[in-house]
Amino acid sequence: DAGVIQSPRHEVTEMGQEVTLRCKPISGHNSLFWYRQTMMRGLELLIYFNNNVPIDDSGMPEDRFSAKMPNASFSTLKIQPSEPRDSAVYFCASSLAVGQVYEQYFGPGTRLTVT
Amino acid sequence: KNEVEQSPQNLTAQEGEFITINCSYSVGISALHWLQQHPGGGIVSLFMLSSGKKKHGRLIATINIQEKHSSLHITASHPRDSAVYICAVALNTDKLIFGTGTRLQVFP
Repeated sequence: DAGVIQSPRHEVTEMGQEVTLRCKPISGHNSLFWYRQTMMRGLELLIYFNNNVPIDDSGMPEDRFSAKMPNASFSTLKIQPSEPRDSAVYFCASSLAVGQVYEQYFGPGTRLTVT
Repeated sequence: KNEVEQSPQNLTAQEGEFITINCSYSVGISALHWLQQHPGGGIVSLFMLSSGKKKHGRLIATINIQEKHSSLHITASHPRDSAVYICAVALNTDKLIFGTGTRLQVFP
């Protein structure tokens, strides 16, 4: 299995531009998570989906952030317009939730720099 | 106060030493995860546990639900164990809350 795939691996953009991060979860997994990691705040959950349905988006910073999961094999996290404070590493993870016992598999992350 | 506290924040050790990293939490949880983040940035899940003890190679994780405390032990540490170790607790949903991590450096 290829694991969780994220693209792009690095993104540099100017303030005000739209940024789209992409994630392909492990085939067969039914939960998908978007995390953000910064030096100041560490790892934070932004949003997670179960069976393609958003379950908890309380971590999404503001309306500039949106996430979609149109099918079981693809998700996007969009920032529009981007700001320098959005600079961080964004991780996608997936899991196969079986009752309450599960393990999350992380993608390699997308390093976003907004200038 | 953070809901998940790790100690120490930084740890250095000589190769071969026994290492312990601690995690305390203040909320009710369904499971606790230990993650390893390599210097290159990748995150790997080491353990997920809800009771007792788990062992994988030189790594051992324990949890005491009553005391809301978990430990990660590394026996016979090696320079390749150098990484950031992150404790995360799962609430009664899939949502994880993360500790700030422990940066471990093992010197030859």
